[in-house]
Amino acid sequence: AQSVTQLGSHVSVSEGALVLLRCNYSSSVPPYLFWYVQYPNQGLQLLLKYTSAATLVKGINGFEAEFKKSETSFHLTKPSAHMSDAAEYFCAVSEIGGSYKLIFGSGTRLLVRP
Amino acid sequence: DADVTQTPRNRITKTGKRIMLECSQTKGHDRMYWYRQDPGLGLRLIYYSFDVKDINKGEISDGYSVSRQAQAKFSLSLESAIPNQTALYFCATSDRTSGGLDTQYFGPGTRLTVL
Repeated sequence: AQSVTQLGSHVSVSEGALVLLRCNYSSSVPPYLFWYVQYPNQGLQLLLKYTSAATLVKGINGFEAEFKKSETSFHLTKPSAHMSDAAEYFCAVSEIGGSYKLIFGSGTRLLVRP
Repeated sequence: DADVTQTPRNRITKTGKRIMLECSQTKGHDRMYWYRQDPGLGLRLIYYSFDVKDINKGEISDGYSVSRQAQAKFSLSLESAIPNQTALYFCATSDRTSGGLDTQYFGPGTRLTVL
């Protein structure tokens, strides 16, 4: 069965510092991969998704993620953190040609220090 | 107006009560989903529906039922609520695309507390 592992339930960075949120998937076939963000008291919204067209995917708000098949990873990065980036981030996977269900990781809460 | 709405936004109930959570969408999407979110566990799929006549169980459907009244409406029921069903519940929708590329759009969530 598909699974997604997000390392670190909490990540704290200073404003202006690099943001790195880790995601690893388990699948014998590279799946579709997604990053969603949840701001306080809101639902989830899509940041970006990997669809096999390009390994480096750019999303909204300056975030990007790189698909690395050899490492089964899809880590999310942003060069310079902003206070407004404080939120919970979820990595999710969907099987190509499968049931279209999303399997979510447990989430990483990003804290941004002034 | 929000594309995906959920009612109620907050609900406190007692063990054994029947509860219905409602979801409506104006996006015209065929697919609708119900998830629950628990701290440290991420989101887990309860039920999903690809059209009005197609309803499927997710990974944690026990204790829940759903009804797809129309393309735009998808309700989740807890027949006899128990305390470990205390959670944040999300409805989501997606349009039909090929092979798992759906982007899901989420409602604002319903916070349910079962005493």
